[in-house]
Amino acid sequence: ILNVEQSPQSLHVQEGDSTNFTCSFPSSNFYALHWYRWETAKSPEALFVMTLNGDEKKKGRISATLNTKEGYSYLYIKGSQPEDSATYLCASSTGNQFYFGTGTSLTVIP
Amino acid sequence: ETGVTQSPTHLIKTRGQQVTLRCSSQSGHNTVSWYQQALGQGPQFIFQYYREEENGRGNFPPRFSGLQFPNYSSELNVNALELDDSALYLCASSARITGPQETQYFGPGTRLLVL
Repeated sequence: ILNVEQSPQSLHVQEGDSTNFTCSFPSSNFYALHWYRWETAKSPEALFVMTLNGDEKKKGRISATLNTKEGYSYLYIKGSQPEDSATYLCASSTGNQFYFGTGTSLTVIP
Repeated sequence: ETGVTQSPTHLIKTRGQQVTLRCSSQSGHNTVSWYQQALGQGPQFIFQYYREEENGRGNFPPRFSGLQFPNYSSELNVNALELDDSALYLCASSARITGPQETQYFGPGTRLLVL
């Protein structure tokens, strides 16, 4: 069992603010790191999958970085909008299993 | 392209009963994984099915069982329900087993309440 941790647990930001949160995972036997965005009453939406140390991925105003040597990934949101309000989940995967953190709940206040 | 669908959306059962949850995978996907998300927790892996065979199992007792059909849809069965089985059950499909980098695409989940 992999212990994946996310921080903070929840976050409230003003519209237009930039924000970031962290996913920590065991650095030994690392294979891949996945980020999902999960809006209430909807399906989790895949954002990024990263495998290589130093990977950076970007999708619109959202970007992510990966440090496999120290076992963490950052997710950044630039200029937060109310529609960014969601829970952001990360998962470390080995073979067929995804090990999820408990998520960061983001609320963007208009 | 049709996404992953699950049924029912909500379900109420009593302790000791049995329940069947259903999942239709995304078009072109032959692998289905099931997860349980208890309140305040992240999703936990139950098991995965690939081409109708179980392909890995998490730390869940045998009363959690599954099936995958030739059209790659899947069922999760839970026998002898316990109060702690109350959770959101998520199904995810993926295109093929190529490795940990393969993205899993999730359905909206079935919320089960055991009284």
